[in-house]
Amino acid sequence: AQSVTQLGSHVSVSEGALVLLRCNYSSSVPPYLFWYVQYPNQGLQLLLKYTTGATLVKGINGFEAEFKKSETSFHLTKPSAHMSDAAEYFCAVSDLGGADGLTFGKGTHLIIQP
Amino acid sequence: GAGVSQSPSNKVTEKGKDVELRCDPISGHTALYWYRQSLGQGLEFLIYFQGNSAPDKSGLPSDRFSAERTGGSVSTLTIQRTQQEDSAVYLCASRDSSGSLGEQYFGPGTRLTVT
Repeated sequence: AQSVTQLGSHVSVSEGALVLLRCNYSSSVPPYLFWYVQYPNQGLQLLLKYTTGATLVKGINGFEAEFKKSETSFHLTKPSAHMSDAAEYFCAVSDLGGADGLTFGKGTHLIIQP
Repeated sequence: GAGVSQSPSNKVTEKGKDVELRCDPISGHTALYWYRQSLGQGLEFLIYFQGNSAPDKSGLPSDRFSAERTGGSVSTLTIQRTQQEDSAVYLCASRDSSGSLGEQYFGPGTRLTVT
């Protein structure tokens, strides 16, 4: 069975500081990994995804994530936080490239301090 | 183009009543998913439709929950005899399965409140 653990239900950073949101997964097969962002009262928007190949994945809005198989991790980073990055972030795993129902982490609420 | 739409955006119902939630996927997307987002449980997969295949119902929490997809397009999630623990945001997503690695596109959700 798949599972996703996101460390920290809330993360607070200053505007301009590094953003690091942690995600660890478990999967019985090589996983496909996703980060989604949810702004208030909106649906989920895909930030980036890892399928196969390059382990450093670049996404929208300056975010990137690195797949580390040895650590079963897929942490999300952004070099410099912007006020507009304040949102809920979800890490998700799929065994079938997103064709099956995704298994989500509990989410991390990112707070940007001015 | 148009994204995934869901209706109603908000629904308040009394305990014991039945409710129907609607999802209009992106045109041409053959895969459709329902998820539930609640404070206690986070985001949970409920059910998945792929073309004309039998749906994957493995995430439905009880037999009070059912869903159908008519004509391979619009889907309706029905909750019978609603309970207070059914209060949540119900999200629908669709995917273009012509490519094996297509992402799921989510709608804005229906917020269900059971009083």
